[in-house]
Parts: sequence; structure tokens; C-alpha cells
Amino acid sequence: KAGVTQTPRYLIKTRGQQVTLSCSPISGHRSVSWYQQTPGQGLQFLFEYFSETQRNKGNFPGRFSGRQFSNSRSEMNVSTLELGDSALYLCASSLDTEGLPMDEQFFGPGTRLTVL
Amino acid sequence: EDQVTQSPEALRLQEGESSSLNCSYTVSGLRGLFWYRQDPGKGPEFLFTLYSAGEEKEKERLKATLTKKESFLHITAPKPEDSATYLCAVRPLLSDYKLSFGAGTTVTVRA
Repeated sequence: KAGVTQTPRYLIKTRGQQVTLSCSPISGHRSVSWYQQTPGQGLQFLFEYFSETQRNKGNFPGRFSGRQFSNSRSEMNVSTLELGDSALYLCASSLDTEGLPMDEQFFGPGTRLTVL
Repeated sequence: EDQVTQSPEALRLQEGESSSLNCSYTVSGLRGLFWYRQDPGKGPEFLFTLYSAGEEKEKERLKATLTKKESFLHITAPKPEDSATYLCAVRPLLSDYKLSFGAGTTVTVRA
């Protein structure tokens, strides 16, 4: 079974630009979560989607947004990029058959975003 | 607010030298505690899920245990390929179910 895939793997942008990252979950998984990972802050939760609905949201500004499609694939968007947005962005999927975030999450390889 | 604290921050071991990593947590009822392994530049790799105090899980040289306030990841006779950052995460039983991660313990095993 294929794992979680994320595209692109690497991205370089300049301040003020916007970026869209994509995530394809493990086949059959209905929940997708996004995290930002930096050396100083560790893994921080951005948001979680289940059946195209945002189920949870972390403490990030409105410049960070996401969505989930009917096939469970998800995208996250960051507008008006700042230097501090440079990070590894990780997507994780889980089965969550009962509709509640109960199961272990499986992570993709991440997208390394560098903002210049 | 849910809190997860991992110790030590870094651990340097000689090959074959067993040791333990600690994950202390404060959560409003525990739905599950998860251990992950992360190699540099890669996404975390799932290792174990623990649900209730007294539970233990094993995988090769790794063994995870759980009490009401903390979890331990024991590494028995480690090899250089066990070098990685080990992350602990908790999901609360109630409230918003958000997964909270600790900062991780970076383990280096020397041959």
C-alpha cells in the first residue's frame, strides 16, 4: 500500500508570495492533518480535515488555510509569505473509521519550504 | 492545556548500551499515546500506540510502556541504525482531540 505522498518536496519562495502544498493520503484514509516543523518550535499542529470539513485548527494566523477534496486529497495554502514560514510542512493521514480522530497518524515525507 | 515533555533532549549511546527515553504528559483524559521515530529531513515514522496504564508494546529493540503520567521508550542493545529523533504525542480523550507532540529526544548510537 502506498504511503502518504506530498508535493512538491522542496520549494523556494520570496516574501509576500503565496504557496500551495499538496498531500495525498494513504488509500482509504479519511482524515488528513497538517503540521509545521521548525528546529525551535518542533511539530506544531496546523489543521485537520475529515470528509472535506475542517475538524480542528491550531493557533496559526489566517494566512494559513487548507481544504480537503472528495477523494480525501488535501491542499494547504500560505499567503503573504514571511521569513518565519520557512519550515518542513508535514501531512499525516489516519483511518478514523468512526468519524472521530482516534487512530494513529501516518506521515508523509514533508515539503521543505524556504522563504527568502 | 495538554502538555508533553520529553527527556533527555539528547542521548549519546555506545552500541549495545541500553537506555530509556521519558515522555511525561498532562492531558484531560488520555485517548492514546503515540511514539514516532524521525530521521533527519524525513517525516515521522509511526512506532507504537499505547492506550492504558500498564500497557506495553515491543518492536525489535524498542519497547514502549505507559503509566498514568508518563511513558518510557526502552532501547535494548542499540545499533547505529537506531540513531534518530524519537517523538512522543498524546491525544486527549475529550475536548478537541488534537494531537500534541513533545520536542523529541535525539538519540545517537556510536559503533
